[in-house]
Amino acid sequence: RKEVEQDPGPFNVPEGATVAFNCTYSNSASQSFFWYRQDCRKEPKLLMSVYSSGNEDGRFTAQLNRASQYISLLIRDSKLSDSATYLCVVNSDAGYALNFGKGTSLLVTP
Amino acid sequence: ETGVTQTPRHLVMGMTNKKSLKCEQHLGHNAMYWYKQSAKKPLELMFVYSLEERVENNSVPSRFSPECPNSSHLFLHLHTLQPEDSALYLCASSQDPRTSYEQYFGPGTRLTVT
Repeated sequence: RKEVEQDPGPFNVPEGATVAFNCTYSNSASQSFFWYRQDCRKEPKLLMSVYSSGNEDGRFTAQLNRASQYISLLIRDSKLSDSATYLCVVNSDAGYALNFGKGTSLLVTP
Repeated sequence: ETGVTQTPRHLVMGMTNKKSLKCEQHLGHNAMYWYKQSAKKPLELMFVYSLEERVENNSVPSRFSPECPNSSHLFLHLHTLQPEDSALYLCASSQDPRTSYEQYFGPGTRLTVT
């Protein structure tokens, strides 16, 4: 079983739509969770950390469900500039490593 | 932008060549990482350095040789690579690998092995 699994998409949504991505992880001992964004042929950039109580940053909301071992990212009022690949990231129990999902591709269209 | 720079940005090398990738972080972080990103695969961690000491080596072939002369610089020395080593090689840094998992990436070196 893969450490971190995501639906690769692509998700094609119109501007202004709300879109949600889910991610599941296999290691119940994981403590840290993140969403990264990666634009085409660019490096991943940290979008937000995911806290147990859930957190919001503008149009982006992240939720963590430890019991079911999944993480979600909700994007409201999608913008064209949100088009990118969204990577779900979970720390391993080894301490140093981060386990990356393959990413979910989002395309926001006019 | 992100405080992590990498050179070169693009590299084409033959299987018998020797080359080096360079990474520099300007964030005052204590840990640096090398990742490999191949098409349609998740990022794969290759090496981790914490305070210039290698703390993780994820079964990487010996044709990849890392070097960390100080906490701001990280190199990846390449020799006798294979075509399947063609990928985007990303460097990252973080404050402390044990307490801070937020990693900041450089722009990457796109490597093509011919």
